[in-house]
Amino acid sequence: AQKVTQAQTEISVVEKEDVTLDCVYETRDTTYYLFWYKQPPSGELVFLIRRNSFDEQNEISGRYSWNFQKSTSSFNFTITASQVVDSAVYFCALSGLIQGAQKLVFGQGTRLTINP
Amino acid sequence: DVKVTQSSRYLVKRTGEKVFLECVQDMDHENMFWYRQDPGLGLRLIYFSYDVKMKEKGDIPEGYSVSREKKERFSLILESASTNQTSMYLCASSFQTLTDTQYFGPGTRLTVL
Repeated sequence: AQKVTQAQTEISVVEKEDVTLDCVYETRDTTYYLFWYKQPPSGELVFLIRRNSFDEQNEISGRYSWNFQKSTSSFNFTITASQVVDSAVYFCALSGLIQGAQKLVFGQGTRLTINP
Repeated sequence: DVKVTQSSRYLVKRTGEKVFLECVQDMDHENMFWYRQDPGLGLRLIYFSYDVKMKEKGDIPEGYSVSREKKERFSLILESASTNQTSMYLCASSFQTLTDTQYFGPGTRLTVL
């Protein structure tokens, strides 16, 4: 079964702190894709990153970085020097074959609050 | 820049009404999707379409239908709205394969009274 677990329901930190959002996935596929999306209070899901299962290199984009570890089935997301504008719900997702079709399976999301 | 638009940000309807939610994408994407998002239940796939006039049921298709007459437009239809369909509805599109990145619209918050 395809499953994504984001164990942290809510995280609250003070501005400028670093924060890591955890994502653990389950899949039997050998080829799969992992995603992170941000949902600010406005409601729109904003795409952040897509990773395929064969590329285990870590990725850095400005203050954002992602650590993909196949050995532990994890795809964690770190925000360095957090800012108030980073406050949002963050979703990790897995593209997998479910009932004969490729579907996107989302975690439950982590609500991140950055306090000034 | 990919742009997915939805016809309304907020919608209030009465039980039993027929409701149309419209979604338009401007990037010539093959695939389009409708999700609903509820607290504690996350995002759930209602229907998706991988081509014009083609549709596939998602995880929770009951009470909904869809229409895709043109490539850029994907409509979600609630034939007879019920209060348990009060939710946030999100449309998405992706380029070609179903593993391509899905880009989401701003969402429609539907309240059924």
